[in-house]
Amino acid sequence: RKEVEQDPGPFNVPEGATVAFNCTYSNSASQSFFWYRQDCRKEPKLLMSVYSSGNEDGRFTAQLNRASQYISLLIRDSKLSDSATYLCAVEGSQGNLIFGKGTKLSVKP
Amino acid sequence: DTGVSQDPRHKITKRGQNVTFRCDPISEHNRLYWYRQTLGQGPEFLTYFQNEAQLEKSRLLSDRFSAERPKGSFSTLEIQRTEQGDSAMYLCASSTSGNTDTQYFGPGTRLTVL
Repeated sequence: RKEVEQDPGPFNVPEGATVAFNCTYSNSASQSFFWYRQDCRKEPKLLMSVYSSGNEDGRFTAQLNRASQYISLLIRDSKLSDSATYLCAVEGSQGNLIFGKGTKLSVKP
Repeated sequence: DTGVSQDPRHKITKRGQNVTFRCDPISEHNRLYWYRQTLGQGPEFLTYFQNEAQLEKSRLLSDRFSAERPKGSFSTLEIQRTEQGDSAMYLCASSTSGNTDTQYFGPGTRLTVL
């Protein structure tokens, strides 16, 4: 099993749709979880940290399920500008982040 | 703009040449990380520093790779005798050393080895 796995993309959705991404991780000792957004040929930018209690930032909601070892990202009322690759990241044992391959989202008019 | 800067942004080199990249972290961040990203993959960890100490190295970091952070501020990553397989985006990130130290990435150096 890979350390961090994400839904394969791409996700093609119309504007206004709700879209959900899931990410599973293998190390039950991981304590920190993040979602990053990456535009084409740009660096990853932090979208949200993911907390045990779940957290919301506007149209974005992140949740953590420790028992099943997955994190999720929900985007409501998607905009054209949400088109990007979404990377989940999990704290590794070396102080690093372990990233999934990313899921590409394309929001169409 | 996260405040992490990297130089150069692009580098084209011939196989066998040595290259060096520089990263300047956010000024109050004492942790600095190097990652490598190839097309269709997420960033892969290479190494990290806390202040000037190199604390961890990935098995991806072959003997041809060396990183330094001599004064605990900027860092350099050198690749000797480059190979075509070294072509990738090299990303630097920095963070503080809190319990949930969020990492902020620089714009990356895109290396192409011909």
